[in-house]
Amino acid sequence: EDKVVQSPLSLVVHEGDTVTLNCSYEVTNFRSLLWYKQEKKAPTFLFMLTSSGIEKKSGRLSSILDKKELFSILNITATQTGDSAVYLCVTDKLIFGTGTRLQVFP
Amino acid sequence: SAVISQKPSRDICQRGTSLTIQCQVDSQVTMMFWYRQQPGQSLTLIATANQGSEATYESGFVIDKFPISRPNLTFSTLTVSNMSPEDSSIYLCSVGPRGGLYGYTFGSGTRLTVV
Repeated sequence: EDKVVQSPLSLVVHEGDTVTLNCSYEVTNFRSLLWYKQEKKAPTFLFMLTSSGIEKKSGRLSSILDKKELFSILNITATQTGDSAVYLCVTDKLIFGTGTRLQVFP
Repeated sequence: SAVISQKPSRDICQRGTSLTIQCQVDSQVTMMFWYRQQPGQSLTLIATANQGSEATYESGFVIDKFPISRPNLTFSTLTVSNMSPEDSSIYLCSVGPRGGLYGYTFGSGTRLTVV
């Protein structure tokens, strides 16, 4: 059975800290993995990763995929209170991870 | 990326009734997707809706409970039928992905509470 697991489930940090969110997957016919930020209801797109070892970067956020070890990480540097959200990873087959709830305190 | 208008934003419904959720996309798309997000949980795909054919439902979801319409390439509805409190969730639609830049685009979501 296809499965996507995220860790940690919850993370509490102070502004300025750097966090690493993990997403491991066991999915047949894998093609790509996507990261989303969910603050209220609608998830907003962050990254799509299809190739192993190529870092994608947007501002303070970056992400990389390891297709050999079947995982991806999302890094957020110099966190801000506006980064507080649930971060979701999802495969191209629309199998969602459990989510990581990040809370950033001033 | 596509823009999706989802209605209603929220509703409180009596058990035993049905609610229809609408998603309107600002461009033509082949596939639309419907999801449920139960409280404290991640998203679960309910079904994929293609225009001109019956929706394809994921394991655990049936057409009698979640009928879907897809009358054209810009619009779809999901009905939650004969509701019970266990149906209280956020329901979302999405389209895409459209290349590596945009991924899947989601509607604004419908928060359903069944009392």
